[in-house]
Amino acid sequence: NAGVTQTPKFQVLKTGQSMTLQCAQDMNHEYMSWYRQDPGMGLRLIHYSVGAGITDQGEVPNGYNVSRSTTEDFPLRLLSAAPSQTSVYFCASSYKGVFYEQYFGPGTRLTVT
Amino acid sequence: AQTVTQSQPEMSVQEAETVTLSCTYDTSESDYYLFWYKQPPSRQMILVIRQEAYKQQNATENRFSVNFQKAAKSFSLKISDSQLGDAAMYFCAYRSGETSGSRLTFGEGTQLTVNP
Repeated sequence: NAGVTQTPKFQVLKTGQSMTLQCAQDMNHEYMSWYRQDPGMGLRLIHYSVGAGITDQGEVPNGYNVSRSTTEDFPLRLLSAAPSQTSVYFCASSYKGVFYEQYFGPGTRLTVT
Repeated sequence: AQTVTQSQPEMSVQEAETVTLSCTYDTSESDYYLFWYKQPPSRQMILVIRQEAYKQQNATENRFSVNFQKAAKSFSLKISDSQLGDAAMYFCAYRSGETSGSRLTFGEGTQLTVNP
């Protein structure tokens, strides 16, 4: 199993550009999430999904869109990139269980200039 | 909303010694789960240890153990016999047991340095 994969690993955008961060998992997990990591702030939840076709907002959703058309994929779209969205982005998946243990992807470092 | 606080931005320890990382959280819920994650320079998030709030016994995983004080809302991580490979950023995280899904609330992180 590849686990949770994210592409690209690094990306530089100009202000106003749009792009999609890809996330895929091959573990048949129901739940998927997107977090952003900023220095001194830990990881913060952007959006999450409890199954195909179902998404909801997390703590910091503004400027981001998600969709979940399949169990495997959970892309994160930046509509109009801003310097404040410079961050490291992590995708995670989990299955229903006592702990809902999350499996994280390797992250995408995004810089918006 | 729940909050998680790690009051030690940086800690250091000598190789083979013991170090304790602090974590406090704020919640009004009785059903929840707590986690410690390790993030080495590779950036990969690695689960170190986990604890169910309704279990009084502290979790242990080899050299890693927690001191879970539910009344004080404290969840510290003890690393025994520290090794150079333990050097990393450590995050404390909270998951509500009262909502579905797998949303985690993270603390700010503690950067651990292990000195040879």
